[in-house]
Amino acid sequence: QITLKESGPALVKPTQTLTLTCAFSGFSLNTGGMGVGWIRQPPGKALEWLAMIYWNDDKKYSPSLRSRLTITKDTSKNQVVLTMTNMDPVDTATYYCAHRPEIGLFDVWGQGTLVTVSS
Amino acid sequence: QSVLIQPPSASGTPGQTVTVSCSGSTSNIGTNTVNWYQQLPGTAPKLLIYSVNQRPSGVPDRFSGSKSGTSASLAISGLQSEDEADYYCAAWDGSLSGQVVFGGGTKVTVL
Repeated sequence: QITLKESGPALVKPTQTLTLTCAFSGFSLNTGGMGVGWIRQPPGKALEWLAMIYWNDDKKYSPSLRSRLTITKDTSKNQVVLTMTNMDPVDTATYYCAHRPEIGLFDVWGQGTLVTVSS
Repeated sequence: QSVLIQPPSASGTPGQTVTVSCSGSTSNIGTNTVNWYQQLPGTAPKLLIYSVNQRPSGVPDRFSGSKSGTSASLAISGLQSEDEADYYCAAWDGSLSGQVVFGGGTKVTVL
């Protein structure tokens, strides 16, 4: 059974850097084809894909946020970390991580973590 | 502004069929498969349909998907009260070095 769980600060100040951790179980990021993605959802708004990391350490980023995002993995800990720099109130959202078994597909999602950006 | 275009809302009475459309382009729906997610109020999205028309285990066959050219559709037949949720389409987009694109979501209301 695949599970994922996001963790990180609930509140960050403008201009700060956000660091989120996705702890997963039930699969290995050493397995060919596997990946983990991050998606966010501002309150009352649509889903927005942020980044993806693959078993071979290839990484993809949203073109509009590429300059602010870094995604890394620690296969020994079964964790994926997303950092987002220069946080702004418009970045207030629930951030989800999800398992990616094949191109463009997220078949299992974490519960999400709400991040509020406010001074 | 989402890359994939969905109507903001759709509705139907119990037992009716509701259809949700998703319009894209050649770089996403036109050349890649489409997935649909259901998001019940206050919960994380859940995979509903993958590879255009495949249902994960446990998803009722009342839910079906289709694709034609650069557009896709989700149909909910025999609408039930528990189907009231937000529905999102998504696809891989091969432009700009590759990205996942989502629709803006459609709120389905059971009248």
